[in-house]
Amino acid sequence: GAGVSQSPSNKVTEKGKDVELRCDPISGHTALYWYRQSLGQGLEFLIYFQGNSAPDKSGLPSDRFSAERTGGSVSTLTIQRTQQEDSAVYLCASSPSRDNYGYTFGSGTRLTVV
Amino acid sequence: AQSVTQPDIHITVSEGASLELRCNYSYGATPYLFWYVQSPGQGLQLLLKYFSGDTLVQGIKGFEAEFKRSQSSFNLRKPSVHWSDAAEYFCAVGAPGGGADGLTFGKGTHLIIQP
Repeated sequence: GAGVSQSPSNKVTEKGKDVELRCDPISGHTALYWYRQSLGQGLEFLIYFQGNSAPDKSGLPSDRFSAERTGGSVSTLTIQRTQQEDSAVYLCASSPSRDNYGYTFGSGTRLTVV
Repeated sequence: AQSVTQPDIHITVSEGASLELRCNYSYGATPYLFWYVQSPGQGLQLLLKYFSGDTLVQGIKGFEAEFKRSQSSFNLRKPSVHWSDAAEYFCAVGAPGGGADGLTFGKGTHLIIQP
């Protein structure tokens, strides 16, 4: 597509439920990134994919968070047993390669855990 | 560990006045440096970036930034702001030559434009 598409744009969930956030990158972009933006913490890097592979998952905040990317395209970020501190805007970005940080960001998914 | 400090949480500027947003970074060498802008409900848009070479970098929307190694700074400037410049501005650093560790962002500066 023309840009990075994220869905849903807004998600309200009850504490303890699982949520899936989706990112559809720009076609042909091999690098994909997830960030979390929360009040007080600013923008926090979560994970990077080169193709379908994530070399380092240590940026994920806890073992309740997981991410995958299939077909070198769509990525999903899954949060299990959501907690109130997971409330944030989750931003996805894609880039033609990892080398030049040529990011295009999506508009984000605003997650509210009640 | 790398870090970015944006000392000003909020800045208010009159329309037509000049603007300077401050950014200081901590990094072992010269990092790649970036300024992004975020309008309400939107993702981040790249204004400009510095990798090497000329320390004065021109960006989109009339913005420029100057890399000063001695001060570990990368301040953003605009000679005359417009009401449409009201937004959140983020400075970021990244490791040269590779993005596997992502970017480290500052906490942002909220720019308010007075008529």
